[in-house]
Amino acid sequence: EPEVTQTPSHQVTQMGQEVILRCVPISNHLYFYWYRQILGQKVEFLVSFYNNEISEKSEIFDDQFSVERPDGSNFTLKIRSTKLEDSAMYFCASRKGIRETQYFGPGTRLLVL
Amino acid sequence: TQLLEQSPQFLSIQEGENLTVYCNSSSVFSSLQWYRQEPGEGPVLLVTVVTGGEVKKLKRLTFQFGDARKDSSLHITAAQPGDTGLYLCAGLGYNAGNMLTFGGGTRLMVKP
Repeated sequence: EPEVTQTPSHQVTQMGQEVILRCVPISNHLYFYWYRQILGQKVEFLVSFYNNEISEKSEIFDDQFSVERPDGSNFTLKIRSTKLEDSAMYFCASRKGIRETQYFGPGTRLLVL
Repeated sequence: TQLLEQSPQFLSIQEGENLTVYCNSSSVFSSLQWYRQEPGEGPVLLVTVVTGGEVKKLKRLTFQFGDARKDSSLHITAAQPGDTGLYLCAGLGYNAGNMLTFGGGTRLMVKP
């Protein structure tokens, strides 16, 4: 069964460094998402992406964040200058159609020191 | 801002007992999804309910979507230790981004 995959599974970085989190959505899916989950808290929406542009973003997704679909398979989340409070699990998700189920990847655990 | 309140937050029961988890909102959702999440992993979809009043069964798990599409419940019959985990509800709104709004989760422990 097709799955959303994410790399790396874990990332440790110094405050102020740039990180790129990578996702490979399910191949025939058209809608892509990033969510994050700070330890012990709710899963929170960051951004949705469709037709090579952002369709919606939350207040968390400020100028330090960007997303890109550089080719036909990858979907990336970049944090330009990481802060301590960016430490969280970051989940990528994708869906095929507009009202269809979202499928989540296994997540990248980001630790900012 | 849409909010989903999930209750209870924690539940510890004995094997064989029944339980119900609730997910409530003042907002209407176009659909509601239930996920199970293991520590350090992503949410894994259990079921999607779409129609108001809809009931879906997955073995010993019964999911219901409220008539007004504002609330949902998950009922587990004769819980087993393998049911232990974090259960999340997530609602799909009518916004342009079609993002999910998650509840806070119910951490279930089933003791043998």
